[in-house]
Amino acid sequence: GQNIDQPTEMTATEGAIVQINCTYQTSGFNGLFWYQQHAGEAPTFLSYNVLDGLEEKGRFSSFLSRSKGYSYLLLKELQMKDSASYLCAVNNAGNMLTFGGGTRLMVKP
Amino acid sequence: EAQVTQNPRYLITVTGKKLTVTCSQNMNHEYMSWYRQDPGLGLRQIYYSMNVEVTDKGDVPEGYKVSRKEKRNFPLILESPSPNQTSLYFCASSYHRVTGELFFGEGSRLTVL
Repeated sequence: GQNIDQPTEMTATEGAIVQINCTYQTSGFNGLFWYQQHAGEAPTFLSYNVLDGLEEKGRFSSFLSRSKGYSYLLLKELQMKDSASYLCAVNNAGNMLTFGGGTRLMVKP
Repeated sequence: EAQVTQNPRYLITVTGKKLTVTCSQNMNHEYMSWYRQDPGLGLRQIYYSMNVEVTDKGDVPEGYKVSRKEKRNFPLILESPSPNQTSLYFCASSYHRVTGELFFGEGSRLTVL
């Protein structure tokens, strides 16, 4: 079966750095995605990792370790608009994308 | 503008009354998928389609049907809706089933009384 775990909620301060972890156990692996979802809106794509290592994209970075079944999303220089849910999703060896429950991030002034 | 369009955005219906949620994308994507999102359960895949006339079950297909007669359209059909199908539904499409990012529609909030 598929199992993807992320913390339910996190709180951080504006201007700080926050790391959102995701661990997974899936029957296959074809890549890991991070999506951002603001309340009442659709998810939007942030990053995709298929090889081990760090992918940096502006203030956001995503890391993957396939041997550990582990990824994290790093958000730097937090802004109030970063308050949202962050969804980790794994593409297994088939055609399915399985999502974790999401981490709700609250950024405080 | 590249987009995925779902209709209706909001619907309140009664148990047993058949309904269809339409989904259309204008990006010529081959892969399309339906998800439902419930508090505490995250996004769960209902059905997906690799291409025209090719559909497959996701994690929670019971009570739903889909069809893919044209590349751009992927309607979700609830033949006999029940209260446990009250949820927020998202349609999504991608240019590549494995590596492609998903583009989501705005969501359809369905309430079944």
